[in-house]
Amino acid sequence: GAVVSQHPSRVICKSGTSVKIECRSLDFQATTMFWYRQFPKQSLMLMATSNEGSKATYEQGVEKDKFLINHASLTLSTLTVTSAHPEDSSFYICSANPIRNRGTYNEQFFGPGTRLTVL
Amino acid sequence: AQKVTQAQTEISVVEKEDVTLDCVYETRDTTYYLFWYKQPPSGELVFLIRRNSFDEQNEISGRYSWNFQKSTSSFNFTITASQVVDSAVYFCALSEGGGNKLTFGTGTQLKVEL
Repeated sequence: GAVVSQHPSRVICKSGTSVKIECRSLDFQATTMFWYRQFPKQSLMLMATSNEGSKATYEQGVEKDKFLINHASLTLSTLTVTSAHPEDSSFYICSANPIRNRGTYNEQFFGPGTRLTVL
Repeated sequence: AQKVTQAQTEISVVEKEDVTLDCVYETRDTTYYLFWYKQPPSGELVFLIRRNSFDEQNEISGRYSWNFQKSTSSFNFTITASQVVDSAVYFCALSEGGGNKLTFGTGTQLKVEL
């Protein structure tokens, strides 16, 4: 089956530092990856859509200069939280769409998530 | 704009009881997909089912069953003979048309006790 990994699974950092989270599709190529954020006891909110080789599309209210997304290859997308603050503490989840034939449903596979704690 | 409502924030049942999780959606598209995911305490999302808007047949998978009714814009999920391992947060989600953006409901926390 299609597997998506995230690294690190858990990170604790000091306020003001930057944190990079990697999302990899291990056994398939993904033209599109999505980044979600989930605050405690809340739903998953889409932050941005990442397309390989082009700029990410951010959802309304998400600061693109704070959450830098790079989709450099068909198997890797990275999310960098710049100058992290305690309010950025959250569970970040990525998902990836395999390359599919036109007309078939494009499944979305989720990574295991990264728990970020900013002190 | 698409929207998913899960009115039940938290449900507690005793093991072996049946439980139904409600999901109501809103969309202007005629082509859309509905999903249910399970999120155990570990946080990883577990895919349970996908249903497209043209297939209103109910589905049963073991102890799980789903009731899709377009007339009421609902996609409810029933667990029969619940078990402690079913304790988790369950999310209903919607994807419109040919896009892949998922809109999640607020989730229902299910607690199954002995």
